[in-house]
Amino acid sequence: DPKIIQKPKYLVAVTGSEKILICEQYLGHNAMYWYRQSAKKPLEFMFSYSYQKLMDNQTASSRFQPQSSKKNHLDLQITALKPDDSATYFCASSQDIWGGSQNTLYFGAGTRLSVL
Amino acid sequence: QQKVQQSPESLTVSEGAMASLNCTFSDGTSDNFRWYRQHSGKGLEMLVSIFSDGEKEEGRFTAHLNRASLHVSLHIREPQPSDSAVYLCAVRNYGGSGNKLIFGTGTLLSVKP
Repeated sequence: DPKIIQKPKYLVAVTGSEKILICEQYLGHNAMYWYRQSAKKPLEFMFSYSYQKLMDNQTASSRFQPQSSKKNHLDLQITALKPDDSATYFCASSQDIWGGSQNTLYFGAGTRLSVL
Repeated sequence: QQKVQQSPESLTVSEGAMASLNCTFSDGTSDNFRWYRQHSGKGLEMLVSIFSDGEKEEGRFTAHLNRASLHVSLHIREPQPSDSAVYLCAVRNYGGSGNKLIFGTGTLLSVKP
């Protein structure tokens, strides 16, 4: 059974609309993340949260807003969608935010977003 | 900003033959190097995480790190068709939060029976 659930698996949106990508983890982890994988580009770090608090933000645009209603939830709201936002968005989690040899990062299966 | 390059872009090997994948990074600011794989339509699975120069083995997967050469490789012993996937190299910079990683674009590995 997947321990990090992302919904929906596929999403099609029109330019200018708003969507929310859902992520829940059932690993008991304290840190959660969003990464994005655009076509022909490397997987790219977007945000990290620890105990529901923002730790790092590498996303230039304020159109991307993470939302954490519970410790094991980190949704991603995207407003004023553009075709360039088309990508697969991966949610991930780890026991804690700080790295160590045992602090493995676990990924969900991703949400593939297409903006027309 | 650290850059991570992987080679080859794609690789086909026969079942049982060793598979070797390469990753170079642009500067010495990283303290942790990881290999992940991604089966089509699935999330990423971490294979090996290495911190020091030398070798780290996890089952059939062995990572070799040489910081002076800015190079880390992954060797897969006795690959099977189920190992066919995209393999991603990722590095973490000193002082960075634990899991803020910089990824390469991947190597697509195909293992033929």
